Amino acid sequence: AQKITQTQPGMFVQEKEAVTLDCTYDTSDQSYGLFWYKQPSSGEMIFLIYQGSYDEQNATEGRYSLNFQKARKSANLVISASQLGDSAMYFCAMSPGSDSWGKLQFGAGTQVVVTP
Amino acid sequence: EPEVTQTPSHQVTQMGQEVILRCVPISNHLYFYWYRQILGQKVEFLVSFYNNEISEKSEIFDDQFSVERPDGSNFTLKIRSTKLEDSAMYFCASSEAHQPQHFGDGTRLSIL
Repeated sequence: AQKITQTQPGMFVQEKEAVTLDCTYDTSDQSYGLFWYKQPSSGEMIFLIYQGSYDEQNATEGRYSLNFQKARKSANLVISASQLGDSAMYFCAMSPGSDSWGKLQFGAGTQVVVTP
Repeated sequence: EPEVTQTPSHQVTQMGQEVILRCVPISNHLYFYWYRQILGQKVEFLVSFYNNEISEKSEIFDDQFSVERPDGSNFTLKIRSTKLEDSAMYFCASSEAHQPQHFGDGTRLSIL
């Protein structure tokens, strides 16, 4: 069975600082996808970044980068130069790479508060 | 940028009543999903849908739930006889093959 663990329930970060959100996963699949989503207080789910298990390079999308360490089964999200608008809940998610590629399993989330 | 749209944004229903949540996925997407998030809890997978049939469903998705794609654009989730514990935010998502899922803004379902 797959499992996603986010051990940080909440974090404070100062504006313009970088922040790393931890995510570890457990799966026996060889092929899988790892995702990060942002959920502001308004409730919508916003896709941020994706890493495939066979991708050798870490994914980057603007100020977001994914620190993928396959041997350690970790997929940490790094947000550089934090902005007040980054305050939100952040979810790590995984999908299996086989027939049910689409089913996402989410972690419990990390609440990030960016302070001036 | 194309987006997934969900209606209504908030639905209040009496326990035991039927409710239909509506979604318009992104037009060129072929894979559709429903998730729910009970207040303060993690997002849970309900069902995935492809080629006019259910691909996978979770144990939450029991006989009270059904999905339908009645035309070329809509994707609906029906709960036949709602219970108090069905109160949650329901998210629709869509994707192309082997691509990240894009979520709608959600429908907040409140069962009284």
